[in-house]
Amino acid sequence: SAVISQKPSRDICQRGTSLTIQCQVDSQVTMMFWYRQQPGQSLTLIATANQGSEATYESGFVIDKFPISRPNLTFSTLTVSNMSPEDSSIYLCSVLLAGRTDTQYFGPGTRLTVL
Amino acid sequence: GNSVTQMEGPVTLSEEAFLTINCTYTATGYPSLFWYVQYPGEGLQLLLKATKADDKGSNKGFEATYRKETTSFHLEKGSVQVSDSAVYFCAPHQGYSGAGSYQLTFGKGTKLSVIP
Repeated sequence: SAVISQKPSRDICQRGTSLTIQCQVDSQVTMMFWYRQQPGQSLTLIATANQGSEATYESGFVIDKFPISRPNLTFSTLTVSNMSPEDSSIYLCSVLLAGRTDTQYFGPGTRLTVL
Repeated sequence: GNSVTQMEGPVTLSEEAFLTINCTYTATGYPSLFWYVQYPGEGLQLLLKATKADDKGSNKGFEATYRKETTSFHLEKGSVQVSDSAVYFCAPHQGYSGAGSYQLTFGKGTKLSVIP
């Protein structure tokens, strides 16, 4: 496997502000993804982070709300913009590792609370 | 696309009891099948997987067998411990679609509490 780190691990934010979450991987990665886990719920894929191009968003998620960057193979950021309490969730980064593209590995998650 | 039906929780067991968490799925083709575990306050960890029919995935005493005929991937453990208390997610993987989207569909999760 690999070490996948996320920053911050948790945050409490005010309504209307934005938060950028970072994901860093210590191994070669082919694909990176961002998921949301709302309280007591399962995981929902937000988007696939593409290196050097715009992310591919799933239905119900838009770039203006969740801008994503991936400047290199092992690093990505997700921004939650203009937050509301409904954005309170755990946000998880996941990756497919080079040479092991049959399994997604997850970061520890960022626990976001919006007041 | 895929869908997953997972046993509803919460499930409460005494230590050393036998555990079964049912999971059935619908999918086109032949997906790989995964169980992930989420311990309290943590992210998801891969628990086990199976990539083809009749394969058995196993890890930490947990097992699950890929049953193509019943489209099931039930999770079992013969003797649970308090440290197994977590939420368990079943997830079929359809594979990279080639359209820039990765289909990993999660079940709703089953919360397991093991009491001493």
